Amino acid sequence: AQKVTQAQTEISVVEKEDVTLDCVYETRDTTYYLFWYKQPPSGELVFLIRRNSFDEQNEISGRYSWNFQKSTSSFNFTITASQVVDSAVYFCALSERAGTASKLTFGTGTRLQVTL
Amino acid sequence: GAVVSQHPSWVICKSGTSVKIECRSLDFQATTMFWYRQFPKQSLMLMATSNEGSKATYEQGVEKDKFLINHASLTLSTLTVTSAHPEDSSFYICSASWRGYGYTFGSGTRLTVV
Repeated sequence: AQKVTQAQTEISVVEKEDVTLDCVYETRDTTYYLFWYKQPPSGELVFLIRRNSFDEQNEISGRYSWNFQKSTSSFNFTITASQVVDSAVYFCALSERAGTASKLTFGTGTRLQVTL
Repeated sequence: GAVVSQHPSWVICKSGTSVKIECRSLDFQATTMFWYRQFPKQSLMLMATSNEGSKATYEQGVEKDKFLINHASLTLSTLTVTSAHPEDSSFYICSASWRGYGYTFGSGTRLTVV
């Protein structure tokens, strides 16, 4: 069975601070996909990134960066120079086969609060 | 592309009544639709997986007779909460797989049963 653990329930930072959200996963499959989603107070899920198990390259997108390490089964997410608009709940998720009939397993989420 | 339209965004209903939530894929064919439920300050929990033209597969602990899922076409899946009770109040969100590697989510439905 697959499992996603986000140990940080809530994080509070001051604007412009860097913050890293941790994600640890468990799966028996050698092929799998990892995702990060942002859920603002409105409730809709905003897709941030998808990474497959064969691509361990770190990725940077603006102020966002992701560190994927298969050796430790981790897929951590860093926001650089955080802003108030980054305040939301962030979910890490795992799919054994991204696509038809393959469900997403979500972590419990990390609530990020960025204050002025 | 890959937009899922979910309606209604919010609904308030009386205890004992039924509520239908619709998810439509606007620009692609959603062979598989996933339905999630999210209680306040909790994660998304998968309720069921529906495939077009066949019966939905429910997760353990989810009442099939209470949460009726219909996926009659490649662009429409519905979730009906029958005989709703206050404990069914939650945020319901659908998701469709897209192009075999991604997922697109509806905007969610906030259900309040009074």
